Amino acid sequence: DQQVKQNSPSLSVQEGRISILNCDYTNSMFDYFLWYKKYPAEGPTFLISISSIKDKNEDGRFTVFLNKSAKHLSLHIVPSQPGDSAVYFCAASGWDNDMRFGAGTRLTVKP
Amino acid sequence: EADIYQTPRYLVIGTGKKITLECSQTMGHDKMYWYQQDPGMELHLIHYSYGVNSTEKGDLSSESTVSRIRTEHFPLTLESARPSHTSQYLCASSDPGGNEKLFFGSGTQLSVL
Repeated sequence: DQQVKQNSPSLSVQEGRISILNCDYTNSMFDYFLWYKKYPAEGPTFLISISSIKDKNEDGRFTVFLNKSAKHLSLHIVPSQPGDSAVYFCAASGWDNDMRFGAGTRLTVKP
Repeated sequence: EADIYQTPRYLVIGTGKKITLECSQTMGHDKMYWYQQDPGMELHLIHYSYGVNSTEKGDLSSESTVSRIRTEHFPLTLESARPSHTSQYLCASSDPGGNEKLFFGSGTQLSVL
């Protein structure tokens, strides 16, 4: 039972444009959401998070939006840079603090 | 940032061998985890630990075992490796308290022939 879904396995954008990565979840008990970035042959690294009491969190070029009624979150990267090319994982946790991950979206930013 | 180390980075072994994947962290985190990930798939939790002498099975059934004798060390053992165990194994740890952000090691890519 996949509780966190990233339906786009890949995304390609031009350098300087906006990248939008999407994530849907099914468990209404999730109250904390995170995005991780993973380069090949490395472990995921934390990028940005958002609590369910907020609908937006911004950190430099990265902004995460949360729509609780739609059980949807998105990560916006503006402007996109070639170094942003990586696999991005969406994750969610709830009262039990066990984290559930999506399958990832591979972002390619073309120069 | 947490420092968390996994060895080996890559391992190719034959069927039936016993292997231990090492994981150590230097930040004194109580909670540690092992995830398994195949390309294009989500990370699956296979084991976790709340602290010394605590080990729990995760969502994904696994034939591996873990131990937690020291806070900093959380090794994973496969008694008899099979080709179905071929995967990437990721170790992680987290700060105490709610909404725990995970810090991951670089992973071990295991190939069982």
